[in-house]
Amino acid sequence: KNEVEQSPQNLTAQEGEFITINCSYSVGISALHWLQQHPGGGIVSLFMLSSGKKKHGRLIATINIQEKHSSLHITASHPRDSAVYICAVRSETSGSRLTFGEGTQLTVNP
Amino acid sequence: DAGVTQSPTHLIKTRGQQVTLRCSPKSGHDTVSWYQQALGQGPQFIFQYYEEEERQRGNFPDRFSGHQFPNYSSELNVNALLLGDSALYLCASSLVSRGWLGEAFFGQGTRLTVV
Repeated sequence: KNEVEQSPQNLTAQEGEFITINCSYSVGISALHWLQQHPGGGIVSLFMLSSGKKKHGRLIATINIQEKHSSLHITASHPRDSAVYICAVRSETSGSRLTFGEGTQLTVNP
Repeated sequence: DAGVTQSPTHLIKTRGQQVTLRCSPKSGHDTVSWYQQALGQGPQFIFQYYEEEERQRGNFPDRFSGHQFPNYSSELNVNALLLGDSALYLCASSLVSRGWLGEAFFGQGTRLTVV
């Protein structure tokens, strides 16, 4: 079992829909990251969380430390949101090393 | 302010050859981590360099080695290439003094194909 599990693996939505991607982890963490990866490879950091909730534009990330669970929400989705979304954690004992989930491929159709 | 830059962007090598990938961290960052991302999978940690020394290492064989220079840039070397080494290699930089608060910035990656 992976230390970081994401669901769903693939997600197809219509433009304007509200999207939720989930991440569960099994280790104690110091921080959790949500990252976006477009075709071609480059990774962009969206959020870094250690508690509570963060919002940036149409993106919202929440984390529940007790339940070892985080969610990434996209409101009013748009085709340009199509990408792979990856959850990654820094465990309490690993310093700045990241452990990644397998990613969620999101496709938003016009 | 330049972000993390990696070179080359794409590379094709033959089995058994050796390859060197390069990474320049974001300005002001002193720590470089390398990750391997196979197709359809999440990145896997290879190793991390700080103060020109390997500080942490993932579950990768000794064929994978690295170096960090005084200007904080880093190289990843892979010897005796196998077909299974074909992947996207990502470099991430951070600032060690920020500890777990420090955000990691990623480069665009080097796509290595071994034929």
